Amino acid sequence: DTGVSQNPRHKITKRGQNVTFRCDPISEHNRLYWYRQTLGQGPEFLTYFQNEAQLEKSRLLSDRFSAERPKGSFSTLEIQRTEQGDSAMYLCASSIDGGWAPYEQYFGPGTRLTVT
Amino acid sequence: DQQVKQNSPSLSVQEGRISILNCDYTNSMFDYFLWYKKYPAEGPTFLISISSIKDKNEDGRFTVFLNKSAKHLSLHIVPSQPGDSAVYFCAARPGAQKLVFGQGTRLTINP
Repeated sequence: DTGVSQNPRHKITKRGQNVTFRCDPISEHNRLYWYRQTLGQGPEFLTYFQNEAQLEKSRLLSDRFSAERPKGSFSTLEIQRTEQGDSAMYLCASSIDGGWAPYEQYFGPGTRLTVT
Repeated sequence: DQQVKQNSPSLSVQEGRISILNCDYTNSMFDYFLWYKKYPAEGPTFLISISSIKDKNEDGRFTVFLNKSAKHLSLHIVPSQPGDSAVYFCAARPGAQKLVFGQGTRLTINP
């Protein structure tokens, strides 16, 4: 069990460019979450998958954001036409349905996005 | 609207003493509360949780207290150790799968 991994760890991009982040959850976890964290704030929920189904999306997830989990394993988060306000740490978490602590989410190290 | 609030951005405690981190919430529908610890350049790490039907949960040096009438949650660390220096986030589950986090409190343990 290697934990939740995220790639890349850092991304610097110019405004207007598209970026894609990848998250690999803990292998037996069927739930996967994306959060965004800005400086001085706690993580804010963006979206959640159960297996390959995207079950909830925050109003923070504008039309420029899209997330997929095609085979119920890894997930990608794409941001199109990036804006400076998108600069943040993007965190991925996973959890297992029906475990003894079903609400415990395990977080990856995050991808820090800087939009210049 | 900030449903989970940690009003102290920072806290400094002497090694060996008790650290008390506080959290207030506004949503009565929260059914589960969690504390996470975060070191720089790492993701948050789960520390301890409590169901809304309980008022106390203890795990080693960490105890979480829940006062539902006051909508208040606290984390006690006894005794505090230098490795406890980190940012601590309070989080709550609003009956759905997502977690709602507070802003965090930076705890510094002084030798």
